Amino acid sequence: EDQVTQSPEALRLQEGESSSLNCSYTVSGLRGLFWYRQDPGKGPEFLFTLYSAGEEKEKERLKATLTKKESFLHITAPKPEDSATYLCAVQTSGTYKYIFGTGTRLKVLA
Amino acid sequence: DVKVTQSSRYLVKRTGEKVFLECVQDMDHENMFWYRQDPGLGLRLIYFSYDVKMKEKGDIPEGYSVSREKKERFSLILESASTNQTSMYLCASSSGVVTIGEQFFGPGTRLTVL
Repeated sequence: EDQVTQSPEALRLQEGESSSLNCSYTVSGLRGLFWYRQDPGKGPEFLFTLYSAGEEKEKERLKATLTKKESFLHITAPKPEDSATYLCAVQTSGTYKYIFGTGTRLKVLA
Repeated sequence: DVKVTQSSRYLVKRTGEKVFLECVQDMDHENMFWYRQDPGLGLRLIYFSYDVKMKEKGDIPEGYSVSREKKERFSLILESASTNQTSMYLCASSSGVVTIGEQFFGPGTRLTVL
């Protein structure tokens, strides 16, 4: 069964303390892996798409990487405004469906 | 910018009422989706549509129906609302027929069924 698991469930960082969020997946065929940011009470906001192992994407303090089994979202020198829930999703071959992980709640303290 | 709008941010309904949630996207996307999001369960797909008048069941379609009469509009219908349908409902759209694409989400509708 196709599955996406995110860890940790929650993470508290001091401002400037870099860390990584993990998204591991077990799918029959990966078409794409997506990262989203979700603020409380709002819809998810698209961040990155990764298509193949070895690919990397960057945006400001965020960098997403992809291997054959997992993806990491690296946060460098985070600021309080980076506090949010980060969601990972995969799309598998031969389907329009996306499978979401349950997210990592990130809190960055000033 | 892609824009996905949902008809209501907050909605309170009574058990047994028929509920309509509307979603409109302005980017001519082929695909539209309805999810519900509950704490600890993540986003679960209710229905999706890959073309006008076309629909596919997602993982939790029971108690819901959908309608897509125009490309830009996708409606979710709760035929007879129940308390276990209290949730955050998210609409999303994406482009492409055979290619993959990121989804763009609306702001969500928080539905409470009393």
